[in-house]
Amino acid sequence: AAGVIQSPRHLIKEKRETATLKCYPIPRHDTVYWYQQGPGQDPQFLISFYEKMQSDKGSIPDRFSAQQFSDYHSELNMSSLELGDSALYFCASSLGGRTDKNIQYFGAGTRLSVL
Amino acid sequence: GNSVTQMEGPVTLSEEAFLTINCTYTATGYPSLFWYVQYPGEGLQLLLKATKADDKGSNKGFEATYRKETTSFHLEKGSVQVSDSAVYFCALTVAGTASKLTFGTGTRLQVTL
Repeated sequence: AAGVIQSPRHLIKEKRETATLKCYPIPRHDTVYWYQQGPGQDPQFLISFYEKMQSDKGSIPDRFSAQQFSDYHSELNMSSLELGDSALYFCASSLGGRTDKNIQYFGAGTRLSVL
Repeated sequence: GNSVTQMEGPVTLSEEAFLTINCTYTATGYPSLFWYVQYPGEGLQLLLKATKADDKGSNKGFEATYRKETTSFHLEKGSVQVSDSAVYFCALTVAGTASKLTFGTGTRLQVTL
């Protein structure tokens, strides 16, 4: 079965550069979530989209922005990168917006290293 | 706010030992509860879930029961295998549209021969 696809899998950037992370949800899934996982940490919620509209927002820095496109894929744009942005970034998708009913399926993540 | 508390790791067990990883939660509203597993270098995989009190989630020999009276969702397995070595995350979400998962800090399980 098709899973959540994230690209790239690994990304190395310098401080103050920009990065774009992409997420392709499971086919027919209309909801996308972004999480950030620091080394040895639990995943922290950044932002979510349902039917291409921003739905919930967590501790996402102002330097980051995201959107969900008409084909339901999503992109996380990160500017003015800082060393502390080095982390594993997960995308998850679900079918339907009801999160108490619909399971979030996670991608393999993008490992971002800021040097 | 919502929060999940898990037992500290790492947990080291011999193969075929009994596993319990404790998880308790606080939540506004009536949460759904999940266990996710993360193998080295991989993403998060849903292990099991429960959406209402007294529900028991089970998968691959793992079980957890939603206990509203003790706000707990402890993970158990009767006989662990080396291949179960991973980090286990307890998580919750509450009803809403595209609402976030709130995770515990994760418990690393290492199973040895």
